[in-house]
Amino acid sequence: AQSVTQPDIHITVSEGASLELRCNYSYGATPYLFWYVQSPGQGLQLLLKYFSGDTLVQGIKGFEAEFKRSQSSFNLRKPSVHWSDAAEYFCAVGAAGGYGGATNKLIFGTGTLLAVQP
Amino acid sequence: DAGVTQSPTHLIKTRGQQVTLRCSPISGHKSVSWYQQVLGQGPQFIFQYYEKEERGRGNFPDRFSARQFPNYSSELNVNALLLGDSALYLCASSLQLHNEQFFGPGTRLTVL
Repeated sequence: AQSVTQPDIHITVSEGASLELRCNYSYGATPYLFWYVQSPGQGLQLLLKYFSGDTLVQGIKGFEAEFKRSQSSFNLRKPSVHWSDAAEYFCAVGAAGGYGGATNKLIFGTGTLLAVQP
Repeated sequence: DAGVTQSPTHLIKTRGQQVTLRCSPISGHKSVSWYQQVLGQGPQFIFQYYEKEERGRGNFPDRFSARQFPNYSSELNVNALLLGDSALYLCASSLQLHNEQFFGPGTRLTVL
């Protein structure tokens, strides 16, 4: 079955420190992969996406992620965290399905809540 | 350009009532998807519409229904509300079926 696992429910880092959020997926075909960020009470903002090609993708706000097919992983990284990065981060896989494979539903992980210490 | 908009922002209903949530996609986007996000969880897929046709349905009961209009806006209807329907309902739009999805701010539904 298609699934996304984010092993870390909660992470605390100091401002200026580096960050890596883990994401593992289970999907039979070549996946479309996404990272979204959600501030409290808000919708989801797309940080970056992987469809094909270069396995290291750059996103907004200084984030990047690396697709590793052999490890079924798509970890999110940032070299220096800012206090404004405190939020919940969701990894998602775009899964074909529906009627004739036409659907591109997103399957989300349970999220990682990031706290930033001053 | 305006992003995805949803209305209302918040809604309080009682068990057994019916609710309609509305979504306007980004201009030019033809696909709209609906997701339910229960507190502490990731969003769960409910429906996807493209060119006014339902293209996919998640594991939700028949109390949930939706439609897409000629202007590509969409409504999500939930009948016979249960306490467990309390959640943030998110709408997302995409240019076509297989492009990245952009989310609206959501509608917070509370069922008492």
